[in-house]
Amino acid sequence: EPEVTQTPSHQVTQMGQEVILRCVPISNHLYFYWYRQILGQKVEFLVSFYNNEISEKSEIFDDQFSVERPDGSNFTLKIRSTKLEDSAMYFCASGRDRGRNTEAFFGQGTRLTVV
Amino acid sequence: AQSVAQPEDQVNVAEGNPLTVKCTYSVSGNPYLFWYVQYPNRGLQFLLKYITGDNLVKGSYGFEAEFNKSQTSFHLKKPSALVSDSALYFCAGPSGENAGNNRKLIWGLGTSLAVNP
Repeated sequence: EPEVTQTPSHQVTQMGQEVILRCVPISNHLYFYWYRQILGQKVEFLVSFYNNEISEKSEIFDDQFSVERPDGSNFTLKIRSTKLEDSAMYFCASGRDRGRNTEAFFGQGTRLTVV
Repeated sequence: AQSVAQPEDQVNVAEGNPLTVKCTYSVSGNPYLFWYVQYPNRGLQFLLKYITGDNLVKGSYGFEAEFNKSQTSFHLKKPSALVSDSALYFCAGPSGENAGNNRKLIWGLGTSLAVNP
């Protein structure tokens, strides 16, 4: 069964450092997403990506964040200068289309800890 | 404002008994609602969805959910719980005016289901 995979499963980084979270979406999917979940809080939408560009982003997704699909298979989330409050579980998701009746398929998440 | 709420942090049920995980929503227009499950060390897995049509939606692993417009609820149910159903369950719904075209879902806080042998 195809699945979304994320690496690493856990990343510890020092405040101010850059991190790149990696995702391999399901191969025939066209729409890609990042979500995050701060411990004890709700899952929050960060960004959606289609046709090599951002289609929507939330207020959380500021200039410190960027996404890229560098090689047609990977989908990365970069945080340029991490802050303590960036510590969270980050989920990548992909979907066949963006219609309202299409479910997303999620990876297992990357737990980012900023110290 | 659009919202999805899961009023219970934890649900405990004995194996073989029916289970219910509650979700209520407040969305404008026709809602579409999802249930996802997260097993330990796994990603969020789709269980079922309500778009339109039958209020009783059947999904994976024997789960079903009933959309109730008058009570603005979308409770997840299973007639006979298994120990392997123990996981974190999330309800999700649309987040705003553009939600029909994008995956900008809003999520409940999650309910931890523990099924005891």
